[in-house]
Amino acid sequence: GNSVTQMEGPVTLSEEAFLTINCTYTATGYPSLFWYVQYPGEGLQLLLKATKADDKGSNKGFEATYRKETTSFHLEKGSVQVSDSAVYFCALRYSSASKIIFGSGTRLSIRP
Amino acid sequence: NAGVTQTPKFQVLKTGQSMTLQCAQDMNHNSMYWYRQDPGMGLRLIYYSASEGTTDKGEVPNGYNVSRLNKREFSLRLESAAPSQTSVYFCASSVTEDSGNTIYFGEGSWLTVV
Repeated sequence: GNSVTQMEGPVTLSEEAFLTINCTYTATGYPSLFWYVQYPGEGLQLLLKATKADDKGSNKGFEATYRKETTSFHLEKGSVQVSDSAVYFCALRYSSASKIIFGSGTRLSIRP
Repeated sequence: NAGVTQTPKFQVLKTGQSMTLQCAQDMNHNSMYWYRQDPGMGLRLIYYSASEGTTDKGEVPNGYNVSRLNKREFSLRLESAAPSQTSVYFCASSVTEDSGNTIYFGEGSWLTVV
């Protein structure tokens, strides 16, 4: 079936470190891929998305490239800030269905 | 920019009580969703409504009912609450059910069943 597997947390980094959060998926067809971020006490917000293979989504210094050959959509940021501390969710949404499937989330903590 | 608004934000229920979570969106979206979020399990879809007048079950519909009252509003009802329904509930909406459309979330409703 369709599923999303993402790197388990928590992940703790120092400010200005390089960030990678791995995400791989299993899906039939050609899904769209998303990264959502959830700050404490808030709902999920779209961080970035890619709707077809080789597309790169980017926002707020974060990037992720839709890699069909490796079925991956890894999230990266070159220099993290304390304000990036949050839970990050990888998700896929496939055509002809309303469902969006989420990974289990990765908690990121950035220390000053 | 209100977006997706859900109420109440916090609620404590006794086992067997009933309650309704309300949700409204002001973005003229056709599709609306209810999710629950439990630790270590990401978000799971309870019910969705692809368009006004239609509703369908998601992954975990047991113990819940929904009503798509109009294009703006989509409510979730717990008829007889159980401790297993203690969770954070999120309402969401998107323009349509097309895969590329972004889903927008409300701020969540924290429900505790004792």
